[in-house]
Formats: sequence, C-alpha cells, structure tokens
Amino acid sequence: AQSVTQLGSHVSVSEGALVLLRCNYSSSVPPYLFWYVQYPNQGLQLLLKYTTGATLVKGINGFEAEFKKSETSFHLTKPSAHMSDAAEYFCAVSYTSGNTPLVFGKGTRLSVIA
Amino acid sequence: KAGVTQTPRYLIKTRGQQVTLSCSPISGHRSVSWYQQTPGQGLQFLFEYFSETQRNKGNFPGRFSGRQFSNSRSEMNVSTLELGDSALYLCASSYNLGNNEQFFGPGTRLTVL
Repeated sequence: AQSVTQLGSHVSVSEGALVLLRCNYSSSVPPYLFWYVQYPNQGLQLLLKYTTGATLVKGINGFEAEFKKSETSFHLTKPSAHMSDAAEYFCAVSYTSGNTPLVFGKGTRLSVIA
Repeated sequence: KAGVTQTPRYLIKTRGQQVTLSCSPISGHRSVSWYQQTPGQGLQFLFEYFSETQRNKGNFPGRFSGRQFSNSRSEMNVSTLELGDSALYLCASSYNLGNNEQFFGPGTRLTVL
C-alpha cells in the first residue's frame, strides 16, 4: 500500500531563508508524486508534480522538488521564503499505472517570520 | 476557463440529518473525486466518479454516497450525520480517468451540531 510521511507538522522560517519541506513515500511501483499548497479557506493548488523523466522538478512560485528513488523522498524547496508562502503544504503519491486515487501526507504548515 | 465550483461553501446541520453537496468540474473534465479533510485525519479519499460510474471508493461507511450526472457534475450525500462528519469536503476534477493531475475546488465546510 502507498503511504506518505511529511516530517514536521509545522515549519517556521525567516523571510528570505531557505524553505525545506520533507516528504517520504512508500510505493511498491514507480510513483507519481505531487506537492499541493492550501491557503486558508481555499482548496488545494498544485505546485508541482513528478511523473517520469527529469528528477528535479520546477513548479510555480519558485518552488522545486527532487525525486530521489534511493531515498524514497520528494522534498520541496525554495531558496528564499516570502511572506506570501505561509500556507499548508501537502505531499501526495499515486501509482504510475492503473487508476488509483491520490494518497496525501498529513501536511506541513509553513510560517514565515518577518 | 472556470475552475471547480462547489456549493454550498458552508453548511450547518444537526446530528441525524442528511446533507447533499454539489461539485461542478472544470469544463471538459470527466473525472470527479471527493475528499474529506479534518485536522485529525488529514485528507482522506472518499470516491471517484467517471462517466457516471463510481470507479474507486475509499474506506468510509455506507452513509457516504455519491453520484455523477451526464454533464460530469457530481453530488455527494451523507445520511444520518454524526458529529465526526464535521469537515471540509473537497471536490477535485481531472480530464480523464487515471489522469492524476487533479484540480481542486474551494470545498464545502460542513459543521454538524
């Protein structure tokens, strides 16, 4: 069965500092991996996704993530945090083959301190 | 192109009542999925519909049901509401079955008193 673990339910960084949100997955077959962001009182917005090909994936708002198969990780990074990045971030996984629903991690709330 | 819309945005019900939530997918999208989001359990998959047929179902009791219409719009119903059903219910649409890029609506916030 697939599962996703997000280390740290709450991460706090200073404005301008590096953002690193951790995600590890468990999957018996090659995964599709996603990062979503949720702002208060809103739905989820796709930040980036990995399906096949290049393991370093660039997304919106300056975020990127690297798929590391050997570490079963898909950590999300941004070189310089902005106040507007404060939100909840979710990592999700699904199978590459067949029709399977997304399995989400518990989420990481990112706070950005001025 | 308009995004996924969900109605109503907020609902307050009492225990034992039933509720119906509505979701209109992005135009041209044929798959609709529903998720329940709570602080304790996070995001949990409820079910997915495609071509008016349920294709996947999560681990929820039979009180939770859904359907999809020929125009791809979907509804979910919860009968005999319990306090624990209080949650944000999110709908997501995708172009096709197995297309994992899902677009989410703003959700319906259900409060059960």
